Amino acid sequence: GENVEQHPSTLSVQEGDSAVIKCTYSDSASNYFPWYKQELGKRPQLIIDIRSNVGEKKDQRIAVTLNKTAKHFSLHITETQPEDSAVYFCAASRAGNNRLAFGKGNQVVVIP
Amino acid sequence: DAGVTQSPTHLIKTRGQQVTLRCSPKSGHDTVSWYQQALGQGPQFIFQYYEEEERQRGNFPDRFSGHQFPNYSSELNVNALLLGDSALYLCASSFGQGNNQPQHFGDGTRLSIL
Repeated sequence: GENVEQHPSTLSVQEGDSAVIKCTYSDSASNYFPWYKQELGKRPQLIIDIRSNVGEKKDQRIAVTLNKTAKHFSLHITETQPEDSAVYFCAASRAGNNRLAFGKGNQVVVIP
Repeated sequence: DAGVTQSPTHLIKTRGQQVTLRCSPKSGHDTVSWYQQALGQGPQFIFQYYEEEERQRGNFPDRFSGHQFPNYSSELNVNALLLGDSALYLCASSFGQGNNQPQHFGDGTRLSIL
């Protein structure tokens, strides 16, 4: 089955700086890649997703890039704010599947 | 517009008991997926229901079973509970089956096994 790995496990950034989280996946048939943000004690919240027919997608301060050849995708957060502090999960699924395989998560800490 | 709702919020059981967790999908959604999230880990896929049938299943034993009702709500049942079943159980809903539509999660049920 699909195996998704996230690096680094913990990331600390100064407020206003950028944060980048990278994920790798193993199944070349995967074609859908969402990112979820989970604050302590709360539900995972979908923040952005990308499909394999595009290489980049942006939504305000958040962007995701996809490299299908290398089988990795990254989340970019610019101008970080304290409310960006959370655990971020990447996931992948293949066409016709809708079954998400998640990474272990990255703890992002934004230092005011 | 109501999002995904789950009940109960918390549950404490002992080993060997059985438990039923409930999920109501977001308005307009017809597909329900269940995930288990252990502390400090990412969610693990249990199974997915569409048109009242289990369509996909992850690597979980038969002790885990489910059901979907005509109104698209769903239940997760776990029999013969083990200590290792302690986790946050998340329900996610989406529209359609097999087309990778965005999945939206509920707040989860925190299950503790003593």
